Amino acid sequence: AQSVTQPDIHITVSEGASLELRCNYSYGATPYLFWYVQSPGQGLQLLLKYFSGDTLVQGIKGFEAEFKRSQSSFNLRKPSVHWSDAAEYFCAVGATGTASKLTFGTGTRLQVTL
Amino acid sequence: EPEVTQTPSHQVTQMGQEVILRCVPISNHLYFYWYRQILGQKVEFLVSFYNNEISEKSEIFDDQFSVERPDGSNFTLKIRSTKLEDSAMYFCASSTGFEQYFGPGTRLTVT
Repeated sequence: AQSVTQPDIHITVSEGASLELRCNYSYGATPYLFWYVQSPGQGLQLLLKYFSGDTLVQGIKGFEAEFKRSQSSFNLRKPSVHWSDAAEYFCAVGATGTASKLTFGTGTRLQVTL
Repeated sequence: EPEVTQTPSHQVTQMGQEVILRCVPISNHLYFYWYRQILGQKVEFLVSFYNNEISEKSEIFDDQFSVERPDGSNFTLKIRSTKLEDSAMYFCASSTGFEQYFGPGTRLTVT
């Protein structure tokens, strides 16, 4: 069975500082990996995805993530955080092949101080 | 930019009542999903739907739940007899087969 662990429940960073949110997954083969962001009262917005190929993927809003097979990780990074990045971030894993369900982590709440 | 829409945004119902949550997926998508998020918990998969039938369902998706695509645009989730523990945010998602796009959710409150 696939699973996702996001070890950090809550992270606070200063505006302009760099950010790294951790995600570890468990899956028997190469998974499909995703990061979603949820602002208060909003739905889930897809930030970026990894299917295959280049292990460093770029997403929207200046985010990137790196797939590391040896560490079963897919950490999300941003070089300079903006106050508007404050939200909840969810890592998700899907089985390879079309239309598979997503399994989500418990999320990391990002707070940005000015 | 096309998006998934959901109605209503908030539904309050009494225990034992039936509710229908509605979703309009992105028009060229073929795969449809329902997820739920109990307050303070993670997003959980309920069911996936393709070609007018359920592809996969979770343990949560018991006989009280059903899904339907009644026409070419809507995708519905019905809960026949709601329980207090069904209170959650319900998200619809659609996909061409890879990344899933989520709607804004329906907050269901069962009293």
